[in-house]
Amino acid sequence: GIQVEQSPPDLILQEGANSTLRCNFSDSVNNLQWFHQNPWGQLINLFYIPSGTKQNGRLSATTVATERYSLLYISSSQTTDSGVYFCAVALYSGNTPLVFGKGTRLSVIA
Amino acid sequence: GAVVSQHPSRVICKSGTSVKIECRSLDFQATTMFWYRQFPKQSLMLMATSNEGSKATYEQGVEKDKFLINHASLTLSTLTVTSAHPEDSSFYICSAQSPGTRQETQYFGPGTRLLVL
Repeated sequence: GIQVEQSPPDLILQEGANSTLRCNFSDSVNNLQWFHQNPWGQLINLFYIPSGTKQNGRLSATTVATERYSLLYISSSQTTDSGVYFCAVALYSGNTPLVFGKGTRLSVIA
Repeated sequence: GAVVSQHPSRVICKSGTSVKIECRSLDFQATTMFWYRQFPKQSLMLMATSNEGSKATYEQGVEKDKFLINHASLTLSTLTVTSAHPEDSSFYICSAQSPGTRQETQYFGPGTRLLVL
């Protein structure tokens, strides 16, 4: 099956710093989503981005589908950004389950 | 975005008992829902695909007789952990995709934390 690798596995940032999280995947995908899992376990949708670039406030994401990677940028990080960031992909379009990477655990310290 | 709810949010039970977890799509109909399991500090792993009006399909290694799935309506799927044991303690999360949307975004419930004593 498709492999999803995220890096780095852990990241500690000073509040206000910027960061880039990476997601590599082993096959062409029709769906790619970035999630933030908060301390209570809720998965929060950040981006649906199988290709291209999107921005939402301090967050932005870029997926280069031909090279099979996606990047999530966090600018001016805040302590509330702490948590685990997951990249998840699906090979096919339609109602298909997602395959998750192992996540990047981000800690933002004041 | 679309809203998916789960109930209960957390449950503690004795070994050998059964636990039912509900997953509801609140503002859309979902012919398909997915059940994932997440152990501490690990990623989400797909357990099964729940199909409205038909049998669920299970991933390799997931016992269908232990994890019973019923998708009786277009807004409700249930996962019953039968004869639960401590190794079944985990975080169970469901998801669904809102149909008719241009983007194939999947929305996740808040999860159910199960502790089997």
